[in-house]
Amino acid sequence: DTGVSQNPRHKITKRGQNVTFRCDPISEHNRLYWYRQTLGQGPEFLTYFQNEAQLEKSRLLSDRFSAERPKGSFSTLEIQRTEQGDSAMYLCASSLGSSNSPLHFGNGTRLTVT
Amino acid sequence: GESVGLHLPTLSVQEGDNSIINCAYSNSASDYFIWYKQESGKGPQFIIDIRSNMDKRQGQRVTVLLNKTVKHLSLQIAATQPGDSAVYFCAENHGNNRLAFGKGNQVVVIP
Repeated sequence: DTGVSQNPRHKITKRGQNVTFRCDPISEHNRLYWYRQTLGQGPEFLTYFQNEAQLEKSRLLSDRFSAERPKGSFSTLEIQRTEQGDSAMYLCASSLGSSNSPLHFGNGTRLTVT
Repeated sequence: GESVGLHLPTLSVQEGDNSIINCAYSNSASDYFIWYKQESGKGPQFIIDIRSNMDKRQGQRVTVLLNKTVKHLSLQIAATQPGDSAVYFCAENHGNNRLAFGKGNQVVVIP
């Protein structure tokens, strides 16, 4: 499968715990994005990388959130001290470097904070 | 602020009929639009895109129409099939693929 891969598919955690998600983009794509989707809504942009550089972060990305892409390939998204409001689907997407190349999404990680 | 939205929350369509999903956008400077299909438990799947220098683009069984005068986007699905049942989102590129999505439109295909 050469699509965007995300792990785990589901994560249930208790409030206050830290969680980390992983994304493996399409191999030739140098841009990688994180989005968050809550039930009944469209995805919301969180942050993106061009190779290993994190170029933009949304105001939605609080200090408890951190994303990395150390070698310009896979990326991790960590949420520290999780809150119930963090419960959502976290989607990763990748694209080629040109500004109007379509994003290809993974199937997401569903986070439930109890 | 600038936003992308959908007119109809749910569209029920008979199998074999054509479907039309509408979307309004408010940022007249937007130059790239994308339609995504999302099935339950999956991520959004790219369907078709269109740049602002075009008013129509066709794919396999799908057509996207762009009317910049009234800032309106539509997706037409020909000969709708059960596998087309999903939520459809239009999205507007705010630069560098920072997409602004609408709330989604549920399409239900009746066999």
